[in-house]
Amino acid sequence: AQSVTQLDSQVPVFEEAPVELRCNYSSSVSVYLFWYVQYPNQGLQLLLKYLSGSTLVKGINGFEAEFNKSQTSFHLRKPSVHISDTAEYFCAVATGANNLFFGTGTRLTVIP
Amino acid sequence: DAGITQSPRYKITETGRQVTLMCHQTWSHSYMFWYRQDLGHGLRLIYYSAAADITDKGEVPDGYVVSRSKTENFPLTLESATRSQTSVYFCASSESATGTYYGYTFGSGTRLTVV
Repeated sequence: AQSVTQLDSQVPVFEEAPVELRCNYSSSVSVYLFWYVQYPNQGLQLLLKYLSGSTLVKGINGFEAEFNKSQTSFHLRKPSVHISDTAEYFCAVATGANNLFFGTGTRLTVIP
Repeated sequence: DAGITQSPRYKITETGRQVTLMCHQTWSHSYMFWYRQDLGHGLRLIYYSAAADITDKGEVPDGYVVSRSKTENFPLTLESATRSQTSVYFCASSESATGTYYGYTFGSGTRLTVV
């Protein structure tokens, strides 16, 4: 069985400060990992993904994430956040051809 | 316009009534999904479909029915609505089960309130 844990339900951060949103997964087999972002009153959209290869992946809007197999983590980072980054962020995992399993989400609030 | 459209955006219904949420996609994606989003639970998969006339249960299918007679449409029916089905419902589509290459394309959601 696979599962995703997002350790923080809410993360407040000041504008231009760095941020890290944490995600851990449990799976005994190889995984595909994703981060999705949901802006207010909208559906989710893909931010970035890890399928294989380089463990550091870059996504849209300056976000990046690092796959750490030994720690079963896929934390999302941004060196300097903007007000427009205020949104809910979801980590998701899939194994093989199975559907995505989403975490419970982290609400990022950027404070001016 | 290309994309995925959900209707209605907002719906209030009474307990016991049947409600159908509509989802239409113009990408010709094989896969379509229905999720519900609740505080503290994130997104939970209700049903999914790999192609027309092929559907399967997700994590929380009880009380819901789906059909997919055409590739582009994937309606979700609540046969007898209950207050516990008050939620925001998202439809999504993808070229694969996991959205490996382009991710899932999500609709804007339907906020359903059962009173």
